[in-house]
Amino acid sequence: DIQMTQSPASLSASLGETVTIECLASEDIYSNLAWYQQKPGKSPQLLIYYANSLNDGVPSRFSGSGSGTQYSLKINSLQSEDVSIYFCQQNYDSPPTFGGGTKLELK
Amino acid sequence: QIQLVQSGPELKKPGESVKISCKASGYTFTDYAMHWVKQAPGKGLKWMGWINTYTGKPTYADDFKGRFVFSLEASASTANLQISNLKNEDTATYFCARDYSSYIYPYWGQGVMVTVSS
Repeated sequence: DIQMTQSPASLSASLGETVTIECLASEDIYSNLAWYQQKPGKSPQLLIYYANSLNDGVPSRFSGSGSGTQYSLKINSLQSEDVSIYFCQQNYDSPPTFGGGTKLELK
Repeated sequence: QIQLVQSGPELKKPGESVKISCKASGYTFTDYAMHWVKQAPGKGLKWMGWINTYTGKPTYADDFKGRFVFSLEASASTANLQISNLKNEDTATYFCARDYSSYIYPYWGQGVMVTVSS
């Protein structure tokens, strides 16, 4: 199975700040990488797919980049509603696997 | 709009069985596979497998072979997950998720919390 390693595990940032979350795959996943946001007690919501495609309705302050084994999610101008846990997921090979998550809090 | 509505929370004893449902609406049920994802309390997401909603053929991830069964009530646009011989480690929230293409999940059910406790 492809292992997905996210960093950092937790992150504290101020409103208006730019934050970046990293995801490292154990092998090349050819940009088959999705990012999800999960708020407490809710289901995950798809933000980004194919590494840099924004899902419908997702604010443009979210962006994804990367290739090969290294990917990142960037949130510009952090808003209070962005406080969540973020997961990366590879969809290159079965089984699809998720990163351990990054908990984003407000400073 | 596309919706996946799951059944309510369950409290079970070890050794019992549980059946969770996921009712889809807003699209043709048999056009897309239904996947299942487990999230233990405070933990990450683990893919359990999927069911072909056209043929009814299930595919299970290695860790979910044996006690886990995916099934359909296609006439009711409903996918089911049954877990038998429940263990404490089955305590988790179980999500159904419809893919967009190739294991990308824009649509999720609200999740079902299953608690296994004596």
